Amino acid sequence: DGGITQSPKYLFRKEGQNVTLSCEQNLNHDAMYWYRQDPGQGLRLIYYSQIVNDFQKGDIAEGYSVSREKKESFPLTVTSAQKNPTAFYLCASSGEDTDTQYFGPGTRLTVL
Amino acid sequence: GQNIDQPTEMTATEGAIVQINCTYQTSGFNGLFWYQQHAGEAPTFLSYNVLDGLEEKGRFSSFLSRSKGYSYLLLKELQMKDSASYLCAVVTNDYKLSFGAGTTVTVRA
Repeated sequence: DGGITQSPKYLFRKEGQNVTLSCEQNLNHDAMYWYRQDPGQGLRLIYYSQIVNDFQKGDIAEGYSVSREKKESFPLTVTSAQKNPTAFYLCASSGEDTDTQYFGPGTRLTVL
Repeated sequence: GQNIDQPTEMTATEGAIVQINCTYQTSGFNGLFWYQQHAGEAPTFLSYNVLDGLEEKGRFSSFLSRSKGYSYLLLKELQMKDSASYLCAVVTNDYKLSFGAGTTVTVRA
């Protein structure tokens, strides 16, 4: 089945630790995105990548880093510099001929 | 910055109709999406409007007025499974999506 996978669904980390969230898609989409969702707020764009080996900062990139070494994969690292990392993280992708973004199931990160 | 407004919550009865409004003031406009999101799950695509008018898709319809910066999502014959959050998102000039905070719809028996 084609789709976007994120793992794990729930993740717990201690304050001060870096953590990497995975996102994989087999839809052959060029563009991939990372969003953060907090209660009562809209999805906010962290980073996006329109092609392999290239990515751009979104609206709230501070404290995060990404890589795009393969078309299928767009991992997000939440660093210790991110002041409020506890949130629901969503990965999305879109194909060449459409603006429609398709979302993965999300990872809920809790920093203790 | 982008400004996308939609009501926080709406409640309706099973079998009824609910209209969720979305107004936007953004840096450019290249289309408007509606997504449905059940609690703790991924948003799923419902509709995409780029031209003015009404798009109907089964029980769900979406309307757009570009001159008024306004859209609505109409849910007909409400079912319990329609209880979810509905997200309005605008494609801005740089072809990124800007999202509203979402409208939580509760369907009561």
